[in-house]
Amino acid sequence: SQQGEEDPQALSIQEGENATMNCSYKTSINNLQWYRQNSGRGLVHLILIRSNEREKHSGRLRVTLDTSKKSSSLLITASRAADTASYFCATDKWGYKLSFGAGTTVTVRA
Amino acid sequence: GAGVSQSPSNKVTEKGKDVELRCDPISGHTALYWYRQSLGQGLEFLIYFQGNSAPDKSGLPSDRFSAERTGGSVSTLTIQRTQQEDSAVYLCASSPPGRDEQYFGPGTRLTVT
Repeated sequence: SQQGEEDPQALSIQEGENATMNCSYKTSINNLQWYRQNSGRGLVHLILIRSNEREKHSGRLRVTLDTSKKSSSLLITASRAADTASYFCATDKWGYKLSFGAGTTVTVRA
Repeated sequence: GAGVSQSPSNKVTEKGKDVELRCDPISGHTALYWYRQSLGQGLEFLIYFQGNSAPDKSGLPSDRFSAERTGGSVSTLTIQRTQQEDSAVYLCASSPPGRDEQYFGPGTRLTVT
């Protein structure tokens, strides 16, 4: 069963704008990770945030984690056409066996 | 360096036939995972191998599914007597020692007709 649930299901933005998507989960976690999947290709790991961390940055990506609300957000700043993809959050309890949500599909318009 | 590779990339099989899917993890990665992604869905965990430890098979959906990992490297996922509901993309991932992020292969798209 899916642990994470992304919101919104789909997002369309103009190039240069920021994109924000959220992930909620049900049970306590060890880590939360975000992955990107381009059409027809495998998943690429973007960022991992541990349960004792609140915010993490990587390039144009910013991830927050609120364990009291069991939620996380992924912000992509200054979006580009290449950011068009599906984004998945994944949680784990013991460092493996990731539980993925159904994903947010992001379309960046030129 | 080379990433995780999977073969075949596409497999079409008739209902009732057995299939074998192969995964070559990144060299030096000790953990290996199999997931299944059905159309429009997130990934579903199937099985986890870590070094020489007994695998975690808790995600395998039925006893028609089995997997092995030979020599701590290459893994094969076998589905016996395939059913139409087995149609999905099967993804393999690996992790380096002591790290939790997973590196995914391109997947095998299985279609059962």
